[in-house]
Amino acid sequence: KAGVTQTPRYLIKTRGQQVTLSCSPISGHRSVSWYQQTPGQGLQFLFEYFSETQRNKGNFPGRFSGRQFSNSRSEMNVSTLELGDSALYLCASSLDLAGNYGYTFGSGTRLTVV
Amino acid sequence: AQSVTQLGSHVSVSEGALVLLRCNYSSSVPPYLFWYVQYPNQGLQLLLKYTSAATLVKGINGFEAEFKKSETSFHLTKPSAHMSDAAEYFCAVSILTGGGNKLTFGTGTQLKVEL
Repeated sequence: KAGVTQTPRYLIKTRGQQVTLSCSPISGHRSVSWYQQTPGQGLQFLFEYFSETQRNKGNFPGRFSGRQFSNSRSEMNVSTLELGDSALYLCASSLDLAGNYGYTFGSGTRLTVV
Repeated sequence: AQSVTQLGSHVSVSEGALVLLRCNYSSSVPPYLFWYVQYPNQGLQLLLKYTSAATLVKGINGFEAEFKKSETSFHLTKPSAHMSDAAEYFCAVSILTGGGNKLTFGTGTQLKVEL
């Protein structure tokens, strides 16, 4: 079956712009989480959605937001981009909220802010 | 709050030698524990997970890990390293809190396999 699909794979944006990233989870998975990976901070949790509701949120400013649609696909949005937002953004899906079956990650979206 | 410590940001082994990557966790409640591998320009691939069943967990590609509550450890091992094992490895802990869940990752261990 298809894995977690993230689009686009690469993005270059200018400081001050906004960006939307997309994540399609594995069919049947209802939980989608987002992570930011940078060389300096490592892997950091952004937020988790389950059944179209945000269930958990990490320590990121309000410029970072997300949503989940009825088909479980999720988008995250970053407004007023800063140079420090350059990172690999990873999406993970799981069957349930508790993670009993593990989390499957997509290949990520590499965002570069110039 | 939960946390994960991975000892050794870089580990180098010879091909055919034992691989041992260390992970210690901190959690106030029984955790779920995971090991992920990341190849360059790729996402994270799940190697194995511990979810309170058997303490010795076998994963893909010959890797296994043992959950030791007394030592709060979940070290990853492989009896014989292969060149294709060269990658970055992340240990992660997960706890269901309130209405949500999240993975907390260690800082990663870069594994180098030499001929």
